[in-house]
Amino acid sequence: KAGVTQTPRYLIKTRGQQVTLSCSPISGHRSVSWYQQTPGQGLQFLFEYFSETQRNKGNFPGRFSGRQFSNSRSEMNVSTLELGDSALYLCASSWGRGPSLTATNEKLFFGSGTQLSVL
Amino acid sequence: KQEVTQIPAALSVPEGENLVLNCSFTDSAIYNLQWFRQDPGKGLTSLLLIQSSQREQTSGRLNASLDKSSGRSTLYIAASQPGDSATYLCAVRRAGTASKLTFGTGTRLQVTL
Repeated sequence: KAGVTQTPRYLIKTRGQQVTLSCSPISGHRSVSWYQQTPGQGLQFLFEYFSETQRNKGNFPGRFSGRQFSNSRSEMNVSTLELGDSALYLCASSWGRGPSLTATNEKLFFGSGTQLSVL
Repeated sequence: KQEVTQIPAALSVPEGENLVLNCSFTDSAIYNLQWFRQDPGKGLTSLLLIQSSQREQTSGRLNASLDKSSGRSTLYIAASQPGDSATYLCAVRRAGTASKLTFGTGTRLQVTL
């Protein structure tokens, strides 16, 4: 069973540009959440999508946005990049709500991340 | 606001030692707690998940305990091996917050030969 796939693995952008990151969840998983990891702030929650709807959002500016498609694949977009946006962006998938709530179903499975460098 | 702290921040032990990693959280209204390991530049691998109604979970050489009332969890690693070297993170999920996890600061573990 394929894991969570994130593309691209590495990205280098300059300030002011925009970027789109992609995440393909584990087959059958309907929830996709995004996290930003930096040495200074650690792992911080960006947002979560379930069945194409954003159902939770972290404390990030509006430059950070996302969406989810009908096949549960998700993208996140960062516009007007700043130097401080340099980070490892991680995507995680889970069942979200069923088929039955068990400990296994509640686990989040993470991708390898996209390392974004803003110059 | 939930805050999660992990002690120690870094730990170096010789191979074969048993060790304990600590995680504390300020808000006891959690749904579950999950332990992850992260290798440098990589994503997170889920190790153990403890529901709020449970006291502990075991997987192989790993045992995680949860004391919700005191806001603490421990990850016990038996007979450590060099392959256990990684950063270990605990994360709590608050009731009613879907998949939003609040992560701890992490413990960087090095197991030496």
